[in-house]
Amino acid sequence: GAVVSQHPSRVICKSGTSVKIECRSLDFQATTMFWYRQFPKQSLMLMATSNEGSKATYEQGVEKDKFLINHASLTLSTLTVTSAHPEDSSFYICSARDGKGVLSQQETQYFGPGTRLLVL
Amino acid sequence: AQSVTQLGSHVSVSEGALVLLRCNYSSSVPPYLFWYVQYPNQGLQLLLKYTTGATLVKGINGFEAEFKKSETSFHLTKPSAHMSDAAEYFCAVSLKTSYDKVIFGPGTSLSVIP
Repeated sequence: GAVVSQHPSRVICKSGTSVKIECRSLDFQATTMFWYRQFPKQSLMLMATSNEGSKATYEQGVEKDKFLINHASLTLSTLTVTSAHPEDSSFYICSARDGKGVLSQQETQYFGPGTRLLVL
Repeated sequence: AQSVTQLGSHVSVSEGALVLLRCNYSSSVPPYLFWYVQYPNQGLQLLLKYTTGATLVKGINGFEAEFKKSETSFHLTKPSAHMSDAAEYFCAVSLKTSYDKVIFGPGTSLSVIP
């Protein structure tokens, strides 16, 4: 149980284009989803937290107009990198929390496999 | 505020040897503690977690960790390393009052020498 998928796993785009990354919870209702960014050889940095049906909460320093997050259903959140530039190249990982499950599930974030973005 | 430190950005062990990855945390309130493993170009997989109860926690793949409040530590161990254990390991902390705010340590890269 508690499987999270991401699509695509890898994307290459030209500078100036927008890229959408999907994050899905496959076997539970993800009341809360998280988007992280990970640079090579570094830890995960939280970009934003989104609750189903409400606006995302962005961490300090993250541009909300550049990284658009939509959490329209209990199983799907999307991250759109608008007008991508080479400095946006990174590994983007989503995670989800089952806010309606038993306590042991609510306490844990389950991670997707990540999306490698390369902006040329 | 919570924080996590992991002593040793890179640890190398021989196959069959003991694995010890260190994690220390700071938290003003009782924390939840996690260990995640990340294989190259993949997401994070939960190894184990401590929330309440028994301080020695057993996880997947033969790993275990012990919560020591007096030492503010949550070190990860495995009695005998396997080649497949080579990966990046992250210790993380969150609060019982706020599951959403998970703070990750910088990670420790484990290499296993045949």
